[in-house]
Amino acid sequence: DIVMTQTPLSSPVTLGQPASISCRSSESLGHSDGNTYLSWLQQRPGQPPRLLIYKISNRFSGVPDRFSGSGAGTDFTLKISRVEAEDAGVYYCMQGTQFPRTFGGGTKLEIK
Amino acid sequence: EVQLLESGGGLVQPGGSLRLSCATSGFTFSGYPMSWVRQAPGKGLEWVSTISSGGDTTYSADSVKGRFTISRDNSKNTLFLQMNSLRADDTAVYYCDRGLATLDFWGQGTLVTVSS
Repeated sequence: DIVMTQTPLSSPVTLGQPASISCRSSESLGHSDGNTYLSWLQQRPGQPPRLLIYKISNRFSGVPDRFSGSGAGTDFTLKISRVEAEDAGVYYCMQGTQFPRTFGGGTKLEIK
Repeated sequence: EVQLLESGGGLVQPGGSLRLSCATSGFTFSGYPMSWVRQAPGKGLEWVSTISSGGDTTYSADSVKGRFTISRDNSKNTLFLQMNSLRADDTAVYYCDRGLATLDFWGQGTLVTVSS
């Protein structure tokens, strides 16, 4: 199974400041079809997860452009350019390249 | 608007069974693979199972293989998860999701509690 490791576990960020979350996979997420199926999900308190970014860097419909994804191979990053209060929650990376699908352990974003 | 609405959760004794349903609307259900993901209380996300758009191919996590069965009724735009031989560690919120490699829409979830 591909192990997804996220850092940090928790990230206190001041409103208006940038934030960055790292995700590392135990194997390359490059698929034979040429895509890399690395997604980022946001889960606000008491809410289901919501897709933010897919295939490393594609912003999903309705996601603010302050969210961006980057990376390749086994190392990926989610960046928030200027954190807003509504960004508080837990962020997960997920790989969809191989079965079983696996998720990172989550990073809790706390707004100061 | 894409909508996914899970139902069927509840309290069940260890060894018991439950059948979860996910009613969908707002998209062509028969054109999409579908998945189930669960989240134990206070824990992270765990993929459970995925089914192809036509229902002929399924994938399941080792932790549920042989106990859980994913299925779908494309005529009713509904996804199912039959859960047998339930254990305490199956206690979780179960989310219905659209997708195969990317899970782009998620339902609100239904809580399954396995306890005597």
